[in-house]
Amino acid sequence: GQSLEQPSEVTAVEGAIVQINCTYQTSGFYGLSWYQQHDGGAPTFLSYNGLDGLEETGRFSSFLSRSDSYGYLLLQELQMKDSASYFCSFYNQGGKLIFGQGTELSVKP
Amino acid sequence: DGGITQSPKYLFRKEGQNVTLSCEQNLNHDAMYWYRQDPGQGLRLIYYSQIVNDFQKGDIAEGYSVSREKKESFPLTVTSAQKNPTAFYLCASTPGGSDGYTFGSGTRLTVV
Repeated sequence: GQSLEQPSEVTAVEGAIVQINCTYQTSGFYGLSWYQQHDGGAPTFLSYNGLDGLEETGRFSSFLSRSDSYGYLLLQELQMKDSASYFCSFYNQGGKLIFGQGTELSVKP
Repeated sequence: DGGITQSPKYLFRKEGQNVTLSCEQNLNHDAMYWYRQDPGQGLRLIYYSQIVNDFQKGDIAEGYSVSREKKESFPLTVTSAQKNPTAFYLCASTPGGSDGYTFGSGTRLTVV
């Protein structure tokens, strides 16, 4: 089958660094993506990893290890506005995006 | 500005009624998708279309129907056969490849 596992919630303080892990299981894999969703809003695209390694975009970085079926999203210099749900997702055969259950990040002052 | 417009934002349905959710995009994207999100849950794929006049079932298509007569439009009908339709419905599109999906702002459907 196809599935993604990520922690249901994470709490951190302003200015800190937090890592949200994601493991996946699928027979066809074409890259890992991360999305951010604020409460009641639309998910917004954060990053994509098609190859192993680290991708950096400002305060956010995303990592992929295909041999371990594992990736993570790293958020640095946390701000209150980073409080949101974060979803890892992968593209399977046919280009469909399959989502994990999401990690709710709470940033405390 | 290019984007995806979903309407209405809130929709109430009586038992036994069919309702249609609108999704329009002006991004010139070929592929469009419908997802359902339940409280505290991830997004589950209902239907998707990669080209005009063609669409495929996703993981939870039962009780839903779609059409793709124009590139810009991908409406979703929630039929009376969908026994638990109360949810947040999200439409998305993508040009393909490694580009991310662009989502609409969603329609919150409630059965009354």
